[in-house]
Amino acid sequence: AQTVTQSQPEMSVQEAETVTLSCTYDTSESDYYLFWYKQPPSRQMILVIRQEAYKQQNATENRFSVNFQKAAKSFSLKISDSQLGDAAMYFCAYRTTNTGTASKLTFGTGTRLQVTL
Amino acid sequence: GAVVSQHPSRVICKSGTSVKIECRSLDFQATTMFWYRQFPKKSLMLMATSNEGSKATYEQGVEKDKFLINHASLTLSTLTVTSAHPEDSSFYICSVPDRAYGYTFGSGTRLTVV
Repeated sequence: AQTVTQSQPEMSVQEAETVTLSCTYDTSESDYYLFWYKQPPSRQMILVIRQEAYKQQNATENRFSVNFQKAAKSFSLKISDSQLGDAAMYFCAYRTTNTGTASKLTFGTGTRLQVTL
Repeated sequence: GAVVSQHPSRVICKSGTSVKIECRSLDFQATTMFWYRQFPKKSLMLMATSNEGSKATYEQGVEKDKFLINHASLTLSTLTVTSAHPEDSSFYICSVPDRAYGYTFGSGTRLTVV
């Protein structure tokens, strides 16, 4: 079974600075999808960024980028120019490319990000 | 991604009663929906996969008789917490797979059983 590990329960960053959240995963599959979700205090889950494993190029969405190391099974999220609105719980998630019931998401335990002035 | 509506956002019920939570996919026909439970400051735990027109698939350890799931149409899945007890108090979230292999989540339901 796939597992997702986030080793940083909490992180803190100053406004305008850069922070990196770590995520590792374990799988025997060669093709899959990886996601970072943000959960602010409203508890609405918001997709931050996604990466297809077959793509070597790291995904980027504005201030958010990932460092995808397939061989190391690592998928870290970098947040640049941090803003107060970035404060939230961040979850790393994995899904197989198989369809059907196997398409469920496996979540990590989350990293709570604080943004300070 | 899909547009997902989850209702109600908050519900308080008495112990022993049943509560129904609805998850609607407003712009996407979803043959599969997922139901999660989240405890405070914890991750999302998958409870079950809701399958349109057939029985739900429950994760190990989830009581199917307590958490009834019905997916009668391509746009609606319901989760009914039967004979609720205080330990069932939690945050319940549904999600819908979208066309791009991603997922859209409902806004969640905070259930409090008193």
